[in-house]
Amino acid sequence: RKEVEQDPGPFNVPEGATVAFNCTYSNSASQSFFWYRQDCRKEPKLLMSVYSSGNEDGRFTAQLNRASQYISLLIRDSKLSDSATYLCVGRDTGRRALTFGSGTRLQVQP
Amino acid sequence: NAGVTQTPKFRVLKTGQSMTLLCAQDMNHEYMYWYRQDPGMGLRLIHYSVGEGTTAKGEVPDGYNVSRLKKQNFLLGLESAAPSQTSVYFCASNVGNEQFFGPGTRLTVL
Repeated sequence: RKEVEQDPGPFNVPEGATVAFNCTYSNSASQSFFWYRQDCRKEPKLLMSVYSSGNEDGRFTAQLNRASQYISLLIRDSKLSDSATYLCVGRDTGRRALTFGSGTRLQVQP
Repeated sequence: NAGVTQTPKFRVLKTGQSMTLLCAQDMNHEYMYWYRQDPGMGLRLIHYSVGEGTTAKGEVPDGYNVSRLKKQNFLLGLESAAPSQTSVYFCASNVGNEQFFGPGTRLTVL
């Protein structure tokens, strides 16, 4: 079983739609969680950190449920520029190395 | 600041050839990493370093060696390339909650 699992998609949504991605993790050594965004053939870039209390950054909301080992990302009012692959990521405290899910591809259509 | 840079951007090797990938960062980060990304998979950790002169194995270290002689540079070596090492290689450095990635090196082994 992969340590971090995501639905690969693709999710095809119209502009303005709300879309939610989910992710589950199995490695309890992962102490911190993040969503990274990766555009086609480019490097991953940090989108936002994920906390148990939930956090919001503009149109993006992330939530961590440690009891269920479940992470979510909600994107409201989708824009064409949101089209990308979204990577669910865990980090262990010691090495600070990242464990990546395989990514969920989002395509926002006009 | 240039951030994290990688050299070369592209390379084609024949089976059995050797090469070195160079990663450089100008942000004075202690932690540096090498990942590989294959189609349909998340990034996987090859080796990492927690400071100048130190290196450690990640999840997929076989067939690779690394060196961190200077704080700003992290080298990844392939002594005898194999087709299974065809991949996109990303270097990263870390501060706080964020890892900064280089633009990647696309390596094909024939």
